[in-house]
Amino acid sequence: QVQLQQSGPRLVKPSQTLFLTCAISGDSVSTNSAWIWMRQSPSRGLEWLGRTFYRSKFYHEYAVSVKSRITFTADPSTNQFSLQLTSVTPEDSGVYYCARGNRRLGMAFDYWGQGSLVTVSS
Amino acid sequence: ELVLTQSPDTLSLSPGDTGSLSCRASQGVSNDYLVWYQQKPGQAPRLLIHGTSIRATGIPDRFSGSGSVTEFTLTISRLEPEDFAVYYCQYYGNSPVLAFGGGSKIEIK
Repeated sequence: QVQLQQSGPRLVKPSQTLFLTCAISGDSVSTNSAWIWMRQSPSRGLEWLGRTFYRSKFYHEYAVSVKSRITFTADPSTNQFSLQLTSVTPEDSGVYYCARGNRRLGMAFDYWGQGSLVTVSS
Repeated sequence: ELVLTQSPDTLSLSPGDTGSLSCRASQGVSNDYLVWYQQKPGQAPRLLIHGTSIRATGIPDRFSGSGSVTEFTLTISRLEPEDFAVYYCQYYGNSPVLAFGGGSKIEIK
């Protein structure tokens, strides 16, 4: 059974950096799954932020909307993957999710983290 | 840019009814990557259907998906109380071709 456990601060000040981590159990960050970051807000709906995947080395792909501000990392030693979003504004507030994209299911997102409600406010 | 348009926004039904939700793509897409999720308040989305019509593990057969090219449908037969939720379609093609629909809510009439 795959589980994804999210952690990170819930309140971030404008212009600061948001950092979230997703700890994987029941799978490995170094398999052929894709490790996804999403967010959800009333104004934006469900928004894909990007993915990390491993094919002999780690690759990261980012949504155009956040590409200049976002960085993903993956750590096989802790079996975690992380998101860093710089220069946040109140528009970045919302619920952030990590998820697994399952290659056998056409990369459908079959396991999700519990969600992290992030508020950007001074 | 691929846009997925879901309709209706809200569907009011009673337990035992059958509901059909539409997902329209702005351009032709592959059946292999059309997905449906269910989301309840305060929860993460849950995978229902992948590859247009393949139920995910543990999903009851009252959920069915169909469609092709630009028109896709999620049908829920014999609605149970736990089926009242928001449903999203998603397309995940070659990155960055990933899109979500805006969601359709099934509410109790």
